[in-house]
Amino acid sequence: DIQMTQAPSSLSASVGDKITITCRASQSVRNYLSWYQQKPGKAPKLLIYAASGLQSGVPSRFSGSGSGTDFTLTISGLQPEDFATYYCQQSYSVPNTFGQGTKLEI
Amino acid sequence: EVQLVESGGGLVQPGESLRLSCAASEFTISSYWMSWVRQAPGKGLEWVANINQDGGGKYYGDSVKGRFTISRDNAKNSFYLQMNSLRAEDTAVYYCARDLPHRSSDCWGQGTLVTVSS
Repeated sequence: DIQMTQAPSSLSASVGDKITITCRASQSVRNYLSWYQQKPGKAPKLLIYAASGLQSGVPSRFSGSGSGTDFTLTISGLQPEDFATYYCQQSYSVPNTFGQGTKLEI
Repeated sequence: EVQLVESGGGLVQPGESLRLSCAASEFTISSYWMSWVRQAPGKGLEWVANINQDGGGKYYGDSVKGRFTISRDNAKNSFYLQMNSLRAEDTAVYYCARDLPHRSSDCWGQGTLVTVSS
């Protein structure tokens, strides 16, 4: 199975900050990498697909990059509604594993 | 509005079975891979299973392989997760999801809680 490792596990930031979350795969997943946002008690929400594709309706302050084993999610200009937990997921091979999550706190 | 609605969760004893359903509205599931993802209380997301458009391809996570079965009924615009030999560690909120071509999940249900406890 492909292991996905996110860093950091938690992050404190302020409104207006620019932050970056990294996700590393234990082997190449090409660009089969997605990013999700989850708020407490809610279903995950797709932000980024295919490593860098911005899902429809997602603000442009979210961006993704990378390929192979190393990926990043960047949020430029944090808004109050962005404080949540973020997960990466590889879908290159089954099982389609998730990272352990990054909790973004104020 | 494109929507997925899960049902069938509840409290069961270890070793028992449960069948989850996921009904789609405002889109036709026959065009999509569909997935189940779960989240244990206070934990992260865990991919459980997915199924291709005609049901001929089914894939499972290691922790549920041999115990869970994913299926679909395109005529009913629904898909399912049959869970047998349930264990305490299967306790989680189970989400159904629609998959895009890269297997990103763009539409999720609200989740249904499965509790396995004696």
